[in-house]
Order: sequence, then C-alpha cells, then structure tokens
Amino acid sequence: AQSVTQLDSHVSVSEGTPVLLRCNYSSSYSPSLFWYVQHPNKGLQLLLKYTSAATLVKGINGFEAEFKKSETSFHLTKPSAHMSDAAEYFCVVRSDTGRRALTFGSGTRLQVQP
Amino acid sequence: NAGVTQTPKFRVLKTGQSMTLLCAQDMNHEYMYWYRQDPGMGLRLIHYSVGEGTTAKGEVPDGYNVSRLKKQNFLLGLESAAPSQTSVYFCASGMSSYNSPLHFGNGTRLTVT
Repeated sequence: AQSVTQLDSHVSVSEGTPVLLRCNYSSSYSPSLFWYVQHPNKGLQLLLKYTSAATLVKGINGFEAEFKKSETSFHLTKPSAHMSDAAEYFCVVRSDTGRRALTFGSGTRLQVQP
Repeated sequence: NAGVTQTPKFRVLKTGQSMTLLCAQDMNHEYMYWYRQDPGMGLRLIHYSVGEGTTAKGEVPDGYNVSRLKKQNFLLGLESAAPSQTSVYFCASGMSSYNSPLHFGNGTRLTVT
C-alpha cells in the first residue's frame, strides 16, 4: 500500500524567505506523486507532479519539488515566499491499482508573515 | 472551460433528511471520485467510479450511495443524514493513467444539524 507523510502540520515563514514543505512517501514501485494547494474555502489546485521523467519538477507560482528515491522524499520548495502563498498544501500519491485513487497526506498549513 | 462542477455549493440539513450532490465533468474522464475533507484528516475517499455504470466503495463509504448513469455525471446521495456527515465534499475526475493528476471541483460544504 502506498502512503505519504507530511512531516509538518504547520510552517510559518516571513515574506521573501525560502519555503520548505516536507513529504515522505512509501511505495513499492515508482510512484506518481503530486502537490496540491488549497486556499481558504477553495478547491484543490495542482501545483506540480512527478512522473519519473525528471527528479526535479517545476510547478506553478515558482514552486519546485525534488524526488529523492534514496530518501523516499518529495519535498516542496520555493525560493521566496509571497503573502499569496499562504494556504494548505497536500502531498499526494496516485495508486497504480484499479481504483487509481489519490491518497492524501494530512496537509501542511503555510503561514506567511509580512 | 468548466472542468469539474459541483452543485450545490452549500447545504444545511436536519438529521434524517436526504439529499443528492451532483458532480459534472466535461473532460471526458473515465474515472470519478467523491472525497470528504475534515479538519486535520486530509481528504478521504468515499466512493469512486472507473466508468459509466460502475461504482465502488472507497475508505469511508458508510451512509453514502453513488450512481454514474452518464459518463460525465457522478452523484453522491445521503439517504439519512447524520451530524457525522458534516464535512466538505469534493468531486474529482481523471484519466485512467496513474501518472495523470485528478481535477477537483470547488467543493460542497454540508452541515447536518
């Protein structure tokens, strides 16, 4: 069974400083991993996806994630936080079995201080 | 370019009442899903469908039923609502390839009193 673990439930940064949101995965094969963002009272928006073509994945709004098989990690980073980045972020893995469902991490709430 | 559309956006029910949530997608996706989101628990899969006329249970199916009579629509029903079903419900759709992401609707906020 696949799973993802988000290591921080809450991260607070100052505007203009780097962002690091940590995610570890558990999978017996090459996983399909995604990061989604949810702004308050909104739906989920895809930030980026890893599908084995490259270990460093670029997403929208300046976010990146690096897939590290040796560490079973898929951490999300951004060089410089903006106030508009304040939201909840979900690390997600999609199953390769029949249901093809997403399994979500518990989420990391990013707070950006002025 | 509508994507995934959920109706209604908000609903308040009394315990024991019934309702149906509608999800419609215009991307010709085979797979459709219903998730619920509760504080601190991420999103949990209620039911899913891998094609028109098919449905299957997810992780938390009790108290819900679904139907997929048309490829573009996936309905979630609550026959007798309970306060434990107070949640935000999200519909998602996607292609069959597990490398492709799911696309989400904007959610339905349901309160059961």
